[in-house]
Amino acid sequence: SAVISQKPSRDICQRGTSLTIQCQVDSQVTMMFWYRQQPGQSLTLIATANQGSEATYESGFVIDKFPISRPNLTFSTLTVSNMSPEDSSIYLCSVDKGEGYEQYFGPGTRLTVT
Amino acid sequence: AQSVAQPEDQVNVAEGNPLTVKCTYSVSGNPYLFWYVQYPNRGLQFLLKYITGDNLVKGSYGFEAEFNKSQTSFHLKKPSALVSDSALYFCAVRDFDNFNKFYFGSGTKLNVKP
Repeated sequence: SAVISQKPSRDICQRGTSLTIQCQVDSQVTMMFWYRQQPGQSLTLIATANQGSEATYESGFVIDKFPISRPNLTFSTLTVSNMSPEDSSIYLCSVDKGEGYEQYFGPGTRLTVT
Repeated sequence: AQSVAQPEDQVNVAEGNPLTVKCTYSVSGNPYLFWYVQYPNRGLQFLLKYITGDNLVKGSYGFEAEFNKSQTSFHLKKPSALVSDSALYFCAVRDFDNFNKFYFGSGTKLNVKP
């Protein structure tokens, strides 16, 4: 398994500003993922972040809006840039340790944009 | 492409009664199927998985799931529901041919009433 922490747990931001969300894992992992979830809804994959390479973004998500860093095997950040109220959501990071095939999720960051 | 469907937005059950949360899948090749639970204001927690082998899979918190290849289903079950089981449940499939992405169902809200 893996223990994952995210910071901040929640935030309220003004439109036009940016927020950087941190994801820390208690062990080294190759693959990390960033998801977006509307409360009570399903998860939408934003991008896959592998250490040592550029993040791979899903359709509808672009690097200018959601830049991702992956400086080492235990840490990643997702920035939500030039925020609008439509960016209000829960942002989750997850990791894939390969063994067992399941993903493990962080507690999420609840973002509200006013 | 791989996908899963959860036909019920909500399932209501009385405490002590058996519960079933339904999931059907559509995959090419062998399915790798998962169930996750999400409690309010929390991240997703892994419950159980089917990779291969016995069609009845046992997981955390007394949950089990039955893999049925002919019906392409992977229903989550529990013999006796607890009020504390009330949460949002997600079925997911892993696509090893597409960068190990997970595809999640729409989610089913389980309400267990005392």
